[in-house]
Amino acid sequence: EIVMTQSPATLSVSPGERATLSCRASQSVSSDLAWYQQKPGQAPRLLIYGASTRATGIPARFSGSGSGTEFTLTISSLQSEDFAVYYCQQYNNWPLLAFGGGTKVEIK
Amino acid sequence: EVQLVQSGVEVKKPGESLKISCKGSGYSFTSYWIVWVRQMPGKGLECMGTIYPGDSDTRYSPSFQGQVTLSVDKSISTAYLQWNTLKASDTAMYYCARLDVAGVGSWGQGTLVTVSS
Repeated sequence: EIVMTQSPATLSVSPGERATLSCRASQSVSSDLAWYQQKPGQAPRLLIYGASTRATGIPARFSGSGSGTEFTLTISSLQSEDFAVYYCQQYNNWPLLAFGGGTKVEIK
Repeated sequence: EVQLVQSGVEVKKPGESLKISCKGSGYSFTSYWIVWVRQMPGKGLECMGTIYPGDSDTRYSPSFQGQVTLSVDKSISTAYLQWNTLKASDTAMYYCARLDVAGVGSWGQGTLVTVSS
């Protein structure tokens, strides 16, 4: 079973600053990695798939990188609407998925 | 437009059974896997399992094998998540979602299940 680990658990960032979120897989998942954003009371929203491809309608300030076991989600300049919880998810073991524990991005 | 509409809030007692639903529309329901995701209060997302409506091929995540049952009725484009014996620890929000080739692009609104005596 592939285990996904995200760090940090909480990231305090000021609006306009850059946020860098990390995700590590317990074994290689190639580029079969997605990122989601979840706001309180809402279902998750797909941001990135294939480790680096933005989903439809996702602003360019969101970018993903990495392959194998190490991945990064970068938000270049945080907007007020970006404060949320972010999850990585591997689908290398498709159709079963595994999510990371999440990183909460909060206002500093 | 792809839509997944889930059944409403449930309040049950420990030991009771429950079946919640997820109705798909706006796409070929039998051509995409449906994934069920649990989110316990204040916690993260957990994949419970997936089911392919075309032939009912079902895969369970190890933690949920034997604990729940996934099923579909493709004649009405609806997927189900079922418990035979609920526990307090089953209290959570449950999401269904459509599994695309690369990630989960469409989600239901969630069904809140509360199990309490």
